[in-house]
Formats: sequence, structure tokens, C-alpha cells
Amino acid sequence: QVQLKETGPGLVQPTQTLSITCTVSGFSLTSYYMQWVRQTPGKGLEWMGFIRSGGSTEYNSEFKSRLSISRDTSKNQVFLKMNSLKTEDTGVYYCARSLPGYNYYFDYWGQGVMVTVSS
Amino acid sequence: DIQMTQSPASLSASLGETISIECRASEDIYSNLAWYQQKSGKSPQLLIYAANRLQDGVPSRFSGSGSGTQYSLKISGMQPEDEGDYFCLQGSKFPPLTFGSGTKLEIK
Repeated sequence: QVQLKETGPGLVQPTQTLSITCTVSGFSLTSYYMQWVRQTPGKGLEWMGFIRSGGSTEYNSEFKSRLSISRDTSKNQVFLKMNSLKTEDTGVYYCARSLPGYNYYFDYWGQGVMVTVSS
Repeated sequence: DIQMTQSPASLSASLGETISIECRASEDIYSNLAWYQQKSGKSPQLLIYAANRLQDGVPSRFSGSGSGTQYSLKISGMQPEDEGDYFCLQGSKFPPLTFGSGTKLEIK
């Protein structure tokens, strides 16, 4: 049974770093692309980036050099780190798995983690 | 970046009514398009991929069509459980993958 679950801090202060972990089960991270998507009041759904099954990454330039995606295959975890947080980064952050055979469609999503950026 | 223009922003439909939602891409996306449904407080769910392929477990009243820059999602016979937000996503050119702005579908 495929499952994804994000865990994160909930509240982050402006200028600080956000760290979210996506823990997966029921499949191998070495067989699927894993995406990060966020949903904010200001911009709606935004694709942030992905880590390929082989471990390389692609990012949305919107996040410039603030964003990093990595993984630990032994722990079945994918990580998102984003620094220099702003209030506009407030929103729900999702990890999602690619559809088998289609790397850019996402069939399973986590429940999302709400992140509030505020002092 | 490819821009996805989705319309309408909101829609109200009667039970049993057939409705369509449109997405227009700023350039040809060669049918690399998906449709998602998101219910209040939940994660998006994949309905359609590759423009017209129905995801496993999705009711057959949902269908997708289109090519080039113009795509549509049709619901043939609105049901109460179809209320929610609908988004398109282009997977043709990245980075970035880009979503439409969404359509809020309600029952009249």
C-alpha cells in the first residue's frame, strides 16, 4: 500500500530555514520521481522541484537558490529544505510520487503539512 | 515558462448536468496535460493524464480531450461528490511544471 506523509515544523520565523521530511512506504524511491508541490493563498499550486529515481534534482527557478531536495533511500525519506523564508511562503507543502511510466504526473500525494511563516 | 490559463474560475452546476473546464497553454504542450480534483482540506487527486487517459479508479463520467494548446475536462452528469476545485498541470516543458489557476465547481 503506497503511503506518503510529510512532517514539518508548522511555524517558522521569517528569514529562517524550512525543513520538511516526506516518509514513504509501499514503493522504492529508486524507482520513482518524487515531487514537492506547495499551495499558497497568493499563487495557488506551485511545482517546487523533484528528485529523480536516480537521485538528480530539478528546481523551479522561482525559488532560485533557496531550495534543496534530497533523500535517504535507506530510510525511505525525501527532504525539502528552503532558506530565507518570507511570509509569502506560508502555505501547505505536499510531496507526491510520479505516476509509473510518466515522470511528470503525480498519482499519490501526502496529506500535506501546513507551514506558517510569522514572527 | 509555459503559462496555463484555466477557465472558468468558478462554475455552478445542477445534478446530472454536463460541464466542461478548459485549460489553454501559452505554447504547444503535445498532450502532456493532467487534470486534478481537490476537495476541501484534502490533497489533489489525479483524474486524467496525457490529456485523455483516465486514472485507475476514477469514474468514467470524467473525460479529457484536446491537443496543441487547448484542453478540456468534461464531467458527464454532475454528482454531489464532484464538488471541489479542479486544476490542470502541464508536463511538457520544465522546469517548471506549471498548474492552471483552478476552477471551483459547486452544485447549484
